Amino acid sequence: AQSVAQPEDQVNVAEGNPLTVKCTYSVSGNPYLFWYVQYPNRGLQFLLKYITGDNLVKGSYGFEAEFNKSQTSFHLKKPSALVSDSALYFCAVRPFSGNTPLVFGKGTRLSVIA
Amino acid sequence: NAGVTQTPKFQVLKTGQSMTLQCAQDMNHNSMYWYRQDPGMGLRLIYYSASEGTTDKGEVPNGYNVSRLNKREFSLRLESAAPSQTSVYFCASSEAGVRTYEQYFGPGTRLTVT
Repeated sequence: AQSVAQPEDQVNVAEGNPLTVKCTYSVSGNPYLFWYVQYPNRGLQFLLKYITGDNLVKGSYGFEAEFNKSQTSFHLKKPSALVSDSALYFCAVRPFSGNTPLVFGKGTRLSVIA
Repeated sequence: NAGVTQTPKFQVLKTGQSMTLQCAQDMNHNSMYWYRQDPGMGLRLIYYSASEGTTDKGEVPNGYNVSRLNKREFSLRLESAAPSQTSVYFCASSEAGVRTYEQYFGPGTRLTVT
């Protein structure tokens, strides 16, 4: 069965510093990987996805993620954090083959401090 | 283009009462989903519908029923609400099958069962 681990419940970073939100996955075969963001009292918004090809994926709002097959990781990164990036971030996975919906991690709360 | 809409936004029920959460999408997506979000638990899949006329159980289906009314609408019913069903409920949709594409989320329904 597929699963996602987000090892940090909370990440704090100063505004202007680079940020990383970690995600590791377990899936049979090749994965499809996704990052979503949730602002307070809102639904989830899609940020980016890895399907195949280049291991570095660029997404919305200046975010990017690096797929590392050997480490089964898909960490979310941004070179310079903004206060407005403060939100809850979810990593999700589905297997390349099979017919199952996304499985989400438990989420990481990012706080960017001015 | 409203995307995914959910009604109601908020609801308070007494234990044993029933209610139906409504979801509609205007993106002509084939697949629809119901998740619940609880603190520290991330998003957990309740039921999904890969296409009109089909429904399948997710990770936490007990106490819920669903109806895929047509291609646009997917409702979630609580027959006899319990305090353990206090949660935020999200509906989502995606193109084609459940396999490849990112899911688009509604704004959520915050349900409290007393």
